[in-house]
Amino acid sequence: GENVEQHPSTLSVQEGDSAVIKCTYSDSASNYFPWYKQELGKRPQLIIDIRSNVGEKKDQRIAVTLNKTAKHFSLHITETQPEDSAVYFCAAKGGSGNTGKLIFGQGTTLQVKP
Amino acid sequence: NAGVTQTPKFRVLKTGQSMTLLCAQDMNHEYMYWYRQDPGMGLRLIHYSVGEGTTAKGEVPDGYNVSRLKKQNFLLGLESAAPSQTSVYFCASSYPPGGSPYEQYFGPGTRLTVT
Repeated sequence: GENVEQHPSTLSVQEGDSAVIKCTYSDSASNYFPWYKQELGKRPQLIIDIRSNVGEKKDQRIAVTLNKTAKHFSLHITETQPEDSAVYFCAAKGGSGNTGKLIFGQGTTLQVKP
Repeated sequence: NAGVTQTPKFRVLKTGQSMTLLCAQDMNHEYMYWYRQDPGMGLRLIHYSVGEGTTAKGEVPDGYNVSRLKKQNFLLGLESAAPSQTSVYFCASSYPPGGSPYEQYFGPGTRLTVT
């Protein structure tokens, strides 16, 4: 079935360093890949997304890259700050048709040490 | 705009009891979803709805039922709660008129404990 694998499960970096989180997906028909950030005790919030007709997208300190051939995509956070500490989830459009369904990865807990 | 709201925020049930979680959205979204979140397992889709009066099963539907009688509301029911249903439940919605069906907006979550 459809699957999204996310690595690593935990990531610890020093403030100011970069962080990279990687995801692979199984459904070659997937064409939408969002990233969500979830702070402790809060709801997941969309931070960036990419569609399959684009290889890279940037928004200030965050960027996402997509390799459709290899079926993987990555989140890059530069100049990390303590407020970047959170759980990050990748996702991929799931199923055929236009249901809006997303398949989520298992999550990465990012800790940014001051 | 309140966005997506969920009631209740917390609930403790005994095994075998039933309850209904309510999700409401005021963004005129067409699609709505119920997820459960367990440690190390991400967000797993329980049921979803692509419009008023329609529902469909997600990845983990067993033990749950849903209804979407009004466009703005999506109810999740547990008929006979089990300890395995202890989890945090999130509702989400997407697809405003003329917008994307894939940008999901989440509610604040309901923490359910079944003893």
